[in-house]
Amino acid sequence: DAMVIQNPRYQVTQFGKPVTLSCSQTLNHNVMYWYQQKSSQAPKLLFHYYDKDFNNEADTPDNFQSRRPNTSFCFLDIRSPGLGDAAMYLCATSRGDSSGGPYNEQFFGPGTRLTVL
Amino acid sequence: AQSVAQPEDQVNVAEGNPLTVKCTYSVSGNPYLFWYVQYPNRGLQFLLKYITGDNLVKGSYGFEAEFNKSQTSFHLKKPSALVSDSALYFCAVSPTSYNTDKLIFGTGTRLQVFP
Repeated sequence: DAMVIQNPRYQVTQFGKPVTLSCSQTLNHNVMYWYQQKSSQAPKLLFHYYDKDFNNEADTPDNFQSRRPNTSFCFLDIRSPGLGDAAMYLCATSRGDSSGGPYNEQFFGPGTRLTVL
Repeated sequence: AQSVAQPEDQVNVAEGNPLTVKCTYSVSGNPYLFWYVQYPNRGLQFLLKYITGDNLVKGSYGFEAEFNKSQTSFHLKKPSALVSDSALYFCAVSPTSYNTDKLIFGTGTRLQVFP
């Protein structure tokens, strides 16, 4: 089945120790998103890729970086995790359309729960 | 400002009774509207969407939603609730004027269905 896969499902890191979360998809979607979600709040968009074009949200801290080496994979790098970065990180994909607006729904992975000690 | 409101943090309903989860929006132009459900420790799962056409949209697991332009609402409904419907529900909107692939999410409503 086509899907969005996130690894690991649970990640524990130490304060200030860099960590990388990964996302892969078999849907061949051209748009990939990274969200941060804290304790049942609404997901907060960090950034997204439309094909290779990177789109950063204005309020995403510089501590968060992303890479998309190919259509299938996308990585979230947290350079120096703080206690406030503990959260669920969700990856999503959609079939973007150049005519504008995501009228195609987003498909979410199961998330990676990050704990910062 | 573009926004989505889910006025109820939690909705409680008995199994077998109809349920409604409310959503209102404020966007410029015509919106694309979505409902997602999230089970514990899982990602969001798409339920249904309104793009254009018939105001009543049917989705997964027996859910439906009605788009009401005059009231700027997109309430999620189900005629007969199941205990397994208990989850966190998010309404989301994308204004067609955005010309991007981003969604604006509501704050979520926790649905609790009691046996």
